[in-house]
Amino acid sequence: NAGVTQTPKFRILKIGQSMTLQCTQDMNHNYMYWYRQDPGMGLKLIYYSVGAGITDKGEVPNGYNVSRSTTEDFPLRLELAAPSQTSVYFCASSYHRGRYTEAFFGQGTRLTVV
Amino acid sequence: ILNVEQSPQSLHVQEGDSTNFTCSFPSSNFYALHWYRWETAKSPEALFVMTLNGDEKKKGRISATLNTKEGYSYLYIKGSQPEDSATYLCAEAGGTSYGKLTFGQGTILTVHP
Repeated sequence: NAGVTQTPKFRILKIGQSMTLQCTQDMNHNYMYWYRQDPGMGLKLIYYSVGAGITDKGEVPNGYNVSRSTTEDFPLRLELAAPSQTSVYFCASSYHRGRYTEAFFGQGTRLTVV
Repeated sequence: ILNVEQSPQSLHVQEGDSTNFTCSFPSSNFYALHWYRWETAKSPEALFVMTLNGDEKKKGRISATLNTKEGYSYLYIKGSQPEDSATYLCAEAGGTSYGKLTFGQGTILTVHP
């Protein structure tokens, strides 16, 4: 089972460049999330989606955009990369229908902006 | 409490010790409380999802309790082993938007042989 797949695993960007972090899941989960992990700060929610066509901001959405055109895919777009976006990014998904089940995480994308 | 908060931030114990951590969360609009175990260089993996006040869950030497009225959950590890060393995260589903899964900053556990 593939679960949650993130690509790329590593990336170095120059300031001002753009990129898209890809996330896909094959578990038919309705909920998907993007988090960033900064040292000593735990996981901060960037954006989340409760189903195809529905997205909402988390705690730290500035500088990012998302879309959810299908149940499987939830890409995260960085338009103008800044050094403050250097972080490890995790995509996650979960299934909710009346009660919550656990979230499954991708392997993470380590992004460095120089 | 406005955010999900965990304490302590880090903990060092000896092999064989029992230990516990706390997760505090906003008690209004609560929906579910998750616990995750996160090993270095890996992805977080779920331990428990708890929804009802008074819930108690157990997996091997690890157990958790939930008090939704006062907004806290405890995670217990009995007889800690070096392989228990990890960051333990709690997350709340609920608040003003029940679709959000909001994490605390984690408790870093180090078990010394």
